[in-house]
Amino acid sequence: GAVVSQHPSWVICKSGTSVKIECRSLDFQATTMFWYRQFPKQSLMLMATSNEGSKATYEQGVEKDKFLINHASLTLSTLTVTSAHPEDSSFYICSATTSRTGRYTEAFFGQGTRLTVV
Amino acid sequence: GENVEQHPSTLSVQEGDSAVIKCTYSDSASNYFPWYKQELGKRPQLIIDIRSNVGEKKDQRIAVTLNKTAKHFSLHITETQPEDSAVYFCAASTNAGGTSYGKLTFGQGTILTVHP
Repeated sequence: GAVVSQHPSWVICKSGTSVKIECRSLDFQATTMFWYRQFPKQSLMLMATSNEGSKATYEQGVEKDKFLINHASLTLSTLTVTSAHPEDSSFYICSATTSRTGRYTEAFFGQGTRLTVV
Repeated sequence: GENVEQHPSTLSVQEGDSAVIKCTYSDSASNYFPWYKQELGKRPQLIIDIRSNVGEKKDQRIAVTLNKTAKHFSLHITETQPEDSAVYFCAASTNAGGTSYGKLTFGQGTILTVHP
C-alpha cells in the first residue's frame, strides 16, 4: 500500500518556540493532505486541508496564523506550530489522498508526531 | 458539515465473542465509510471500508454493514482475540472530488477490550 512518512515522531520544545512537522508521501503523489490533532483518549479532529500549490483550508476554530501549513509539492506538506504553548501539546497526524490512482478514496496516515511543549 | 456519532465508547468482550460498533452520520451525500483501528500512540490503520453502492462487505472476521436510508453503518468483529483490543474509529467521507478530496469526519472512537 501507499506509504506516508511523518517526522519527527516526537518533539519536546520550549514554550514560545516554533516546531515544524513534515508529512511526505513516499510512493505516490498526494493531491490532498489533511492535518489532524488528537488529544488523549479522543478522536481525530481535522485541523486543515491542504492542496498542492494553494492555501490551506482551515476548520472552524483553528488559528491559521498559529498552525501554518505549506503544501509546496505533491509529496510534501508541512505543519508549523508557531509560538507553541503547553496547550498545543498533542498528537498531530497527517493523512494523504490522491485522485490519481485506482485507490482514490483511501486516506493514508503518517505515523503521527507527539508534541510536548514545556 | 458532516457529523458522525459512534457507540459505544467502550466495549468489553470475552475472547471468542462477537463485537459490534455502530455509527450514524448526518450528511446524505457521504458515500465512503472506512473503519480504522488505532493502537496507543500509533497511526490509524484501515481495517475495512464500504462504499455507498453496497450494503455489506466482509473480510475474514470483520464485516461492515451500511444502511443508507437510516444513515448508519456498523462494524462486526467475530471470534474476537486479545490482539483485537484497540481503539476503533468509524469515519465518513464525501467522495466529491475537488479540494476536499478524501476529507474524513471521524466518530468519537470505541475502546475495545478483549479479555482472554
